[in-house]
Amino acid sequence: EAGVTQFPSHSVIEKGQTVTLRCDPISGHDNLYWYRRVMGKEIKFLLHFVKESKQDESGMPNNRFLAERTGGTYSTLKVQPAELEDSGVYFCASSLEETQYFGPGTRLLVL
Amino acid sequence: GQQLNQSPQSMFIQEGEDVSMNCTSSSIFNTWLWYKQDPGEGPVLLIALYKAGELTSNGRLTAQFGTTRKDSFLNISASIPSDVGIYFCAGRGAGNNRKLIWGLGTSLAVNP
Repeated sequence: EAGVTQFPSHSVIEKGQTVTLRCDPISGHDNLYWYRRVMGKEIKFLLHFVKESKQDESGMPNNRFLAERTGGTYSTLKVQPAELEDSGVYFCASSLEETQYFGPGTRLLVL
Repeated sequence: GQQLNQSPQSMFIQEGEDVSMNCTSSSIFNTWLWYKQDPGEGPVLLIALYKAGELTSNGRLTAQFGTTRKDSFLNISASIPSDVGIYFCAGRGAGNNRKLIWGLGTSLAVNP
């Protein structure tokens, strides 16, 4: 069974540009989560989808971040415009019930 | 907001030694989880704890859910080189939300 996949694995962009991260959850998992780890800090929750609906978006930093999950399958996280403090590793996870399975992450560097 | 204090921040041990790390919280958690992250990978669940006082093992790993519901520890016995990585504790509070609150991680290095 394929695990959670994320694309791209790395992204280097300049401040002010736009970046879109993609997550493909494990097939059949209705729950999809986004987390972020800024260097030196803990992993922080961003949001939780149940199918295509946003169940909890309390962790989204500001309105420069937009997450979508059209059709309830893969999800995208867009950062527009990117700022220096957005640099970090963005993890996606999916779950059927309680156990969350994580993807390898997208390493974002904003210069 | 809820925070987890995880210690130690890093450890450097000899192969064969036992390792212990712990997490504490100022608030109650209903679930404690321990994850391991290898370089370039995402966190992988090692042990999940759902009841206060619960002691669970997974091979050489043992974790406990503290009776106060505000702490948890993870022990690794007879460490081997492949134990190298970052270990995270994570907790889930009361309520229906599924978001995980994370510790800062413990970086483990094992000298063969």
